[in-house]
Amino acid sequence: GESVGLHLPTLSVQEGDNSIINCAYSNSASDYFIWYKQESGKGPQFIIDIRSNMDKRQGQRVTVLLNKTVKHLSLQIAATQPGDSAVYFCAENIIQGAQKLVFGQGTRLTINP
Amino acid sequence: DSGVTQTPKHLITATGQRVTLRCSPRSGDLSVYWYQQSLDQGLQFLIQYYNGEERAKGNILERFSAQQFPDLHSELNLSSLELGDSALYFCASSLRGTPNTEAFFGQGTRLTVV
Repeated sequence: GESVGLHLPTLSVQEGDNSIINCAYSNSASDYFIWYKQESGKGPQFIIDIRSNMDKRQGQRVTVLLNKTVKHLSLQIAATQPGDSAVYFCAENIIQGAQKLVFGQGTRLTINP
Repeated sequence: DSGVTQTPKHLITATGQRVTLRCSPRSGDLSVYWYQQSLDQGLQFLIQYYNGEERAKGNILERFSAQQFPDLHSELNLSSLELGDSALYFCASSLRGTPNTEAFFGQGTRLTVV
């Protein structure tokens, strides 16, 4: 399944399926992008990051894709597990004088057994 | 455990009051970032300190201020509190002075203004 990340925060997938969480970022000059996972009652936890000179980066069960042409970022989670249930935030590093990390609104991922 | 410690975990206070939130970064990290997370919202960047100096400012209200001490711990001061200031406040730390790197978040302080 897919979800537009910033304004529609819910995605439900079956356990074992692949998840794709999408994010549209705002600034074409952003040089760095990052995904965080936030479980209920906890602080955000780093998942994976990517610099603007790359278009794909893989981690353990996760892949981030960056399409600078349309300013789009996605997070793919393979073989989704119950522990993947959380809110996922994308963020971009905006350079306007000082550098600031700007977060999207988040997507809530729920796993159906 | 991220290594970032925030105290207190919960805080309930009345409108008009002033509170101080504390953050101890991961050992060795020089940058501290403060974020506000309102109900069902994303994280709003407030302010960053690097090695004791203010490095970047976000949407931080004039009623709010922060500082980073020589031992690198940081405090966020919120004054003349309003109901709308009720939120989760997160601190994050990183080694470098720019945010284009992994940062480690604390568990947050939940502030309730009544």
